[in-house]
Amino acid sequence: AQKITQTQPGMFVQEKEAVTLDCTYDTSDQSYGLFWYKQPSSGEMIFLIYQGSYDEQNATEGRYSLNFQKARKSANLVISASQLGDSAMYFCAMKGDSSYKLIFGSGTRLLVRP
Amino acid sequence: GAGVSQSPRYKVTKRGQDVALRCDPISGHVSLYWYRQALGQGPEFLTYFNYEAQQDKSGLPNDRFSAERPEGSISTLTIQRTEQRDSAMYRCASSFGRNTEAFFGQGTRLTVV
Repeated sequence: AQKITQTQPGMFVQEKEAVTLDCTYDTSDQSYGLFWYKQPSSGEMIFLIYQGSYDEQNATEGRYSLNFQKARKSANLVISASQLGDSAMYFCAMKGDSSYKLIFGSGTRLLVRP
Repeated sequence: GAGVSQSPRYKVTKRGQDVALRCDPISGHVSLYWYRQALGQGPEFLTYFNYEAQQDKSGLPNDRFSAERPEGSISTLTIQRTEQRDSAMYRCASSFGRNTEAFFGQGTRLTVV
């Protein structure tokens, strides 16, 4: 079975500072993908970043980077230089090659303080 | 279209009625997913299509729920004899392939009264 765990229900960060959102996963698949999505108060689900299990380098997309530690089964999202618009719910997700399902964690609500 | 389109955006229905939720995926995307999301929780997988083939329906909660994608493009999620516990946000997502990122539609907020 595959599982995603996000242990931080809510977090605060000061504007312009960096923040790390934790995500751990469990899977028996050798090949899998890890994803982060942002859900602002408007309700849409916005894809942020992807990391493949065989990618040797951590994925980066603008201010977003994924700190992938395979041995620890963690895929933390790092947001640099936080902006007020980053306030949202953030979901970590994974999909193993043995499954069609994209499995989501319970999410972390981030609030950026001015 | 430019993104995944879902309709209606909001649906209020009386208990016992049937509802049909529509999803129009991004053009060229062969993979299509349906999810259900309760308030404050992550999306919960319902079903997956590869082209017109429903390859995984393990997340459908019971036989009142069904989905189809007859021509490998637009998909419909149908809930028969709705119950109050069916109230949730229903989301559709599509991806180019099975192992690429999925893009979500705006969702349909279903309220059963």
